[in-house]
Amino acid sequence: AQSVAQPEDQVNVAEGNPLTVKCTYSVSGNPYLFWYVQYPNRGLQFLLKYITGDNLVKGSYGFEAEFNKSQTSFHLKKPSALVSDSALYFCAVRDSSWGKFQFGAGTQVVVTP
Amino acid sequence: DAGVTQSPTHLIKTRGQQVTLRCSPISGHKSVSWYQQVLGQGPQFIFQYYEKEERGRGNFPDRFSARQFPNYSSELNVNALLLGDSALYLCASSLGTGFNEQFFGPGTRLTVL
Repeated sequence: AQSVAQPEDQVNVAEGNPLTVKCTYSVSGNPYLFWYVQYPNRGLQFLLKYITGDNLVKGSYGFEAEFNKSQTSFHLKKPSALVSDSALYFCAVRDSSWGKFQFGAGTQVVVTP
Repeated sequence: DAGVTQSPTHLIKTRGQQVTLRCSPISGHKSVSWYQQVLGQGPQFIFQYYEKEERGRGNFPDRFSARQFPNYSSELNVNALLLGDSALYLCASSLGTGFNEQFFGPGTRLTVL
């Protein structure tokens, strides 16, 4: 069975500082990994994905994520956080083409001016 | 281009009633998935349909059913509503396989009294 863990319920960071949101996963095969962001009363917006290839993936709004197979992690990063990055972030994993998406519990990011 | 649309936006039902939620995917997308998101949790996978066939089912009771129409729109039906069915129901569309990211609609907020 596949699973996703986001160990931090909330991450607080000052504007301009680096932002990291952690995600670890467990799958039986090769993982397909995704990051989504959710603003209040909105659906989820896609940020980036890892399917294969380069371990560093670049996505929307200046976000990037690093796939680490040995540590089974896929942490989301942004070099310089903005107040507008304050939102709920979800990591998701899929273990096959037709496997279900498994979402983490989410991490609330709070960026203070 | 229009994104994923869902109707209705909000819905209030009483226990034991039945509800139908509707979703229209992005033009050209042939896969639709349904998720349940309870407040404070990540989305939980309910169903995936591709080319009008069920491709995946999550751990939900038989009270939950869905279908996909020839125009790729989809309906989610929930019978014999329980208080615990109160949640945000999200629809997501994608081109098809697990390699492709899913694009989410704004959701339908269901309240069961």
